[in-house]
Amino acid sequence: ETGVTQSPTHLIKTRGQQVTLRCSSQSGHNTVSWYQQALGQGPQFIFQYYREEENGRGNFPPRFSGLQFPNYSSELNVNALELDDSALYLCASSLGRGRQETQYFGPGTRLLVL
Amino acid sequence: EDQVTQSPEALRLQEGESSSLNCSYTVSGLRGLFWYRQDPGKGPEFLFTLYSAGEEKEKERLKATLTKKESFLHITAPKPEDSATYLCAVQATNAGKSTFGDGTTLTVKP
Repeated sequence: ETGVTQSPTHLIKTRGQQVTLRCSSQSGHNTVSWYQQALGQGPQFIFQYYREEENGRGNFPPRFSGLQFPNYSSELNVNALELDDSALYLCASSLGRGRQETQYFGPGTRLLVL
Repeated sequence: EDQVTQSPEALRLQEGESSSLNCSYTVSGLRGLFWYRQDPGKGPEFLFTLYSAGEEKEKERLKATLTKKESFLHITAPKPEDSATYLCAVQATNAGKSTFGDGTTLTVKP
């Protein structure tokens, strides 16, 4: 069974640039959620995709956008990067729309915005 | 709005000294409460899912319990390798997202 993978592991960008982060879900999972984790805090929900459609969104501005592909992998895009976007970005996959909604996390992408 | 509060923020134990971590929550209909372990710079590692008050789950030195307002993660005779941040999260019945607390950072000294 393949776990959740994310790429890249680390990324450095400058303010105003755009970034794309990628996630491959665990085998058999059809739901992907993205979280932002600032240092010393718990993960904050950005949005979730279920079978290629957005299925909920947290309190993040529209410059945070995403996609899910037919193979259930996903992308997180952030436009017009700000210094406060520096964080660990986590992807989690689950088998959605059922009782077993446990989310399994990838290793994360560490983004630094200068 | 769903809320999760974890206490204490940090806990230092001697090896073999048992203790408990607390997770207090408010949620509009609980689908599940989750415990994760997170090592520095890594993604959270799933430990337990609890669904209803009175439920208990065990794994090695860890035992999680659930009431209608809080959950406890009991650590029995901890070892230095148990040092990590332990995160608690809740999921409401009408939402797919999980709401996390800020975690308890556990340090176990040999």
